[in-house]
Amino acid sequence: EDQVTQSPEALRLQEGESSSLNCSYTVSGLRGLFWYRQDPGKGPEFLFTLYSAGEEKEKERLKATLTKKESFLHITAPKPEDSATYLCAVSSNDYKLSFGAGTTVTVRA
Amino acid sequence: GAVVSQHPSWVICKSGTSVKIECRSLDFQATTMFWYRQFPKQSLMLMATSNEGSKATYEQGVEKDKFLINHASLTLSTLTVTSAHPEDSSFYICSARALVKRYEQYFGPGTRLTVT
Repeated sequence: EDQVTQSPEALRLQEGESSSLNCSYTVSGLRGLFWYRQDPGKGPEFLFTLYSAGEEKEKERLKATLTKKESFLHITAPKPEDSATYLCAVSSNDYKLSFGAGTTVTVRA
Repeated sequence: GAVVSQHPSWVICKSGTSVKIECRSLDFQATTMFWYRQFPKQSLMLMATSNEGSKATYEQGVEKDKFLINHASLTLSTLTVTSAHPEDSSFYICSARALVKRYEQYFGPGTRLTVT
């Protein structure tokens, strides 16, 4: 069974204070690791897909990296609008996504 | 691109009635659509997977007679909560998998269901 563990559960940052979120996973046959952003009362918003170890993707202040056991989401110089819950998910052979519990990020001005 | 809509965004119904939620992929064809349920401060729980033109596959513990799923076309799936009870109150979210990008799922904005 695929397992995804995210840490920390919550992260409080000062505006401009860079940090990283961790997603560790165990999966039989990784087809993709996905990062989503979810705002309260809304559906998850797609951010990145990573397919193989060593791959990196960037979007504005976010950068996602992948190793064989974990992925990191780096937030560089965050702004208050980056406050959200960040979800990590993996997909194996059946196209289903297994989600972690998420990391709730709060960025204070 | 890759926009998924849901309707309605919120609904209140009385116990014992049925509610239908629509999920549409607006700018792509979806081979597969998924239905999730999310409780407050929890992550998404997959309820069922539906492929166009075939019966939905339900996750263990999900009552298929209570949560009826129809995937009528490559852009539309519906979830009907039958004989709703207060414990069915939740946030329901659909996602769609595109034909081209095989493993990526794009999510709708969600439907808040409250059963009184």
